[in-house]
Amino acid sequence: SSEVTQDPAVSVALGQTVRITCQGGRLRTSFPNWYRQKPGQAPVLLISGENHRPSGIPGRFSGSRSRNTALLTITGVRADDEADYYCHFRDNDNSHLGVFGSGTRVAVL
Amino acid sequence: EVQLVQSGVEMKKPGESLRISCRGSGYSFSGQWIGWVRQMPGKGLELMGIIYPGDSDARYNPSFRGQVTFSVDKAINSAFLQWSSLKSSDTAMYFCARQGLSWDDAFDVWGQGTMVIVSS
Repeated sequence: SSEVTQDPAVSVALGQTVRITCQGGRLRTSFPNWYRQKPGQAPVLLISGENHRPSGIPGRFSGSRSRNTALLTITGVRADDEADYYCHFRDNDNSHLGVFGSGTRVAVL
Repeated sequence: EVQLVQSGVEMKKPGESLRISCRGSGYSFSGQWIGWVRQMPGKGLELMGIIYPGDSDARYNPSFRGQVTFSVDKAINSAFLQWSSLKSSDTAMYFCARQGLSWDDAFDVWGQGTMVIVSS
């Protein structure tokens, strides 16, 4: 099992705001990256490091951190936000290795 | 356009060997780490490890060390994931992904995935 844990599933109404959490000891020292994976597709990077969005990712997606919990917040949820979301931490030893969180499935009602 | 293109579906028997590929284009392939990610059916993402094409420096997460081998061929901008003796538990989707250049080591470009099915 992953040492970085996420809630297995969360549901949100269309147009509302959803917050996806990521917890683990690594949070003491770094910000996670966040990815979205739609069914049958490869993951896509949504947020890297301290809330940086790659080109093409809308401002509805944002990342933050509080103590031992990292948050991915999606505002104005759309139907096509229904997907699996993963956090990902780099190791602290400059090895370029890291670990993914266990993933959260978001259902849009 | 920056992209990673992976080889196609593989169906193998237990005990057979296999090498799957990931070809990069649109950027300097030698200069950025490539990661391999396993996704077993219905499960989450697992980082198997990474390899630096510039010097073939390969690093494995503990669960995968000794189970698989990473390699590269810079001449054809390709990275490879290899098994010497497959098990049914290797049945999974395998993604390659490029690690970005910033400190957070985010995977910013992903291949489409290679499905490996191991069954007798």
